[in-house]
Amino acid sequence: EVQLVESGGGSVYVGGSRRLSCVASGFTFSDYEMNWVRQAPGKGLEWVSYISRRATDVFYADSVKGRFTISRDNAQNSLSLQMNSLTAEDTAVYYCARDRLYCTTTSCNFEGMDVWGQGTTVTVS
Amino acid sequence: SYELTQSSSVSVSPGQTASITCSGYKLGDKYVCWFQQKAGQSPVMVIYEDVKRPSGIPERFSGSNSGNTATLTISGTQPMDEADYFCQAWDSGSAVFGRGTKLTVL
Repeated sequence: EVQLVESGGGSVYVGGSRRLSCVASGFTFSDYEMNWVRQAPGKGLEWVSYISRRATDVFYADSVKGRFTISRDNAQNSLSLQMNSLTAEDTAVYYCARDRLYCTTTSCNFEGMDVWGQGTTVTVS
Repeated sequence: SYELTQSSSVSVSPGQTASITCSGYKLGDKYVCWFQQKAGQSPVMVIYEDVKRPSGIPERFSGSNSGNTATLTISGTQPMDEADYFCQAWDSGSAVFGRGTKLTVL
């Protein structure tokens, strides 16, 4: 079964740090790009960060740039998000989601975030 | 930064067709995905690359994208389709989500 399982959520003080993990199973992790997406209580989805399959490209939302670091270990089928200098606005359920970038001769496009984890909750207070 | 605009809510009677729109500057030049999220659950992709359905997604879900507007259409809407729906596109290395549309089936 294709699965993503997040962990590492919990309560943290303002200004503190937290490290989230996402473990993949049931598919070849190194064939996929990965994202972190969060959802504040009662709010919509907010993309947080992206990492390419070989970790050569990483991108961040402006709201977390300079504070969060995404990384992956393809040998361990795992994705991480190191979160520093946390604020109350970072309180959310954090999801990892896989995607896949494919390129033709003229363009590159994403296939879509087709598998999501169950989410892990981070509460900053 | 790029923005996607969705109406906050749509209501539809069972068996009728629901249309949920997503607007953005030259959105038709980008690929759009649609996600369904039921209460307390993780999002599920129902449409990718504007018009494609992942395996396991019912045929009643369809998508289109042209100009500045993408549309998710649910034909023969069922009570189980009641959920929040989010559109998403990539722009300049960032994934952008719409704020979501709450679909009520009543």
